[in-house]
Amino acid sequence: GAVVSQHPSRVICKSGTSVKIECRSLDFQATTMFWYRQFPKQSLMLMATSNEGSKATYEQGVEKDKFLINHASLTLSTLTVTSAHPEDSSFYICSAGGANYGYTFGSGTRLTVV
Amino acid sequence: QQQVKQSPQSLIVQKGGISIINCAYENTAFDYFPWYQQFPGKGPALLIAIRPDVSEKKEGRFTISFNKSAKQFSLHIMDSQPGDSATYFCAASRGTSGSRLTFGEGTQLTVNP
Repeated sequence: GAVVSQHPSRVICKSGTSVKIECRSLDFQATTMFWYRQFPKQSLMLMATSNEGSKATYEQGVEKDKFLINHASLTLSTLTVTSAHPEDSSFYICSAGGANYGYTFGSGTRLTVV
Repeated sequence: QQQVKQSPQSLIVQKGGISIINCAYENTAFDYFPWYQQFPGKGPALLIAIRPDVSEKKEGRFTISFNKSAKQFSLHIMDSQPGDSATYFCAASRGTSGSRLTFGEGTQLTVNP
């Protein structure tokens, strides 16, 4: 079946630094990548949608300069949290969509900003 | 129009019982209705999904019932097991891979031994 690998699973960073999260589709071409943020005991909140080779489309209220998304190939998308602050601490999840494969989610990244 | 409402927020079931989670949607353009299971610290995993051209789909102990006229769909977990204890999300989208998923609020299921 379709597999999406997300790394790292956990990361702790200092306030003001940047963190990059990778999402790879291992056995299919992901034409669309979705990035979500999830707070404890809450649902997934879509942050942005990206198509390979195109600029990401951000949801209302999501700072595109803070959450940089790159989808340079059909198997790799990255989310960079720039100048991270404690309020950015959250669980970030990617999801890859490809023809006939539906939506496949990564295992998530727990970001803690100290 | 983009909302998907899910209930109950939490559910406690005895082992062997039936767990039922309900969702209602507003956007009639939705044509893909998946259910996801999420364990703490993990990403959601697809359990089962249905298209609006069928009223029921069963996979093992999991069944989706779909009522197009009422714009409602539900997940039934038969013979619930402690290992089923997780958070369940319903979702809806237009298409199966390129359009955004709209998620329900989630249901925390606890199956007691």
